[in-house]
Amino acid sequence: DAKTTQPPSMDCAEGRAANLPCNHSTISGNEYVYWYRQIHSQGPQYIIHGLKNNETNEMASLIITEDRKSSTLILPHATLRDTAVYYCIVRVESAGNMLTFGGGTRLMVKP
Amino acid sequence: GAVVSQHPSWVICKSGTSVKIECRSLDFQATTMFWYRQFPKQSLMLMATSNEGSKATYEQGVEKDKFLINHASLTLSTLTVTSAHPEDSSFYICSAPKSEKNYGYTFGSGTRLTVV
Repeated sequence: DAKTTQPPSMDCAEGRAANLPCNHSTISGNEYVYWYRQIHSQGPQYIIHGLKNNETNEMASLIITEDRKSSTLILPHATLRDTAVYYCIVRVESAGNMLTFGGGTRLMVKP
Repeated sequence: GAVVSQHPSWVICKSGTSVKIECRSLDFQATTMFWYRQFPKQSLMLMATSNEGSKATYEQGVEKDKFLINHASLTLSTLTVTSAHPEDSSFYICSAPKSEKNYGYTFGSGTRLTVV
């Protein structure tokens, strides 16, 4: 699986958009970009994933650059409950493979 | 859908005793279960992969005789920490791939183990 690089921490004001970047310059053509988050003392939660097109769901939007070497997770209106560690993971889609977690970005949403 | 129920959510045990952690897939069949460990302020580290009906595969540096994994059915995988020591105190999390393609993985809520 390709390695990812994320800033260790970010702050965001409540109600504003939170933009979390991820670099994955060695991504292969068949690797997807996944985002998970982990709220303190809980198991990780799936947010969104994509291959090359931008994706949006009820939780967030995922913007993938045209060369696929980086992506941005957007939480359009951050709330205090979005405070968590966000993990960007790049991997080949295969149900038998585990997820490899990097350091993630600790997002602090402030009132 | 695709929920993994993990129990207990927290446990305190004495050194030298054993602790069993259970993960159940509630509405899908989990032929594979991944077990992670997470120390404070660190990321999740994969410990082992269990497959229903076969022996678990352990990551390098994880003692298979200390961390016993059983995956006897398609809906239940267990991790037993044997002869626990304070350094085994950690957050243990299980995860299973969802049955639908491209739907990612579902995680248990985690077990906070404290060995005193």
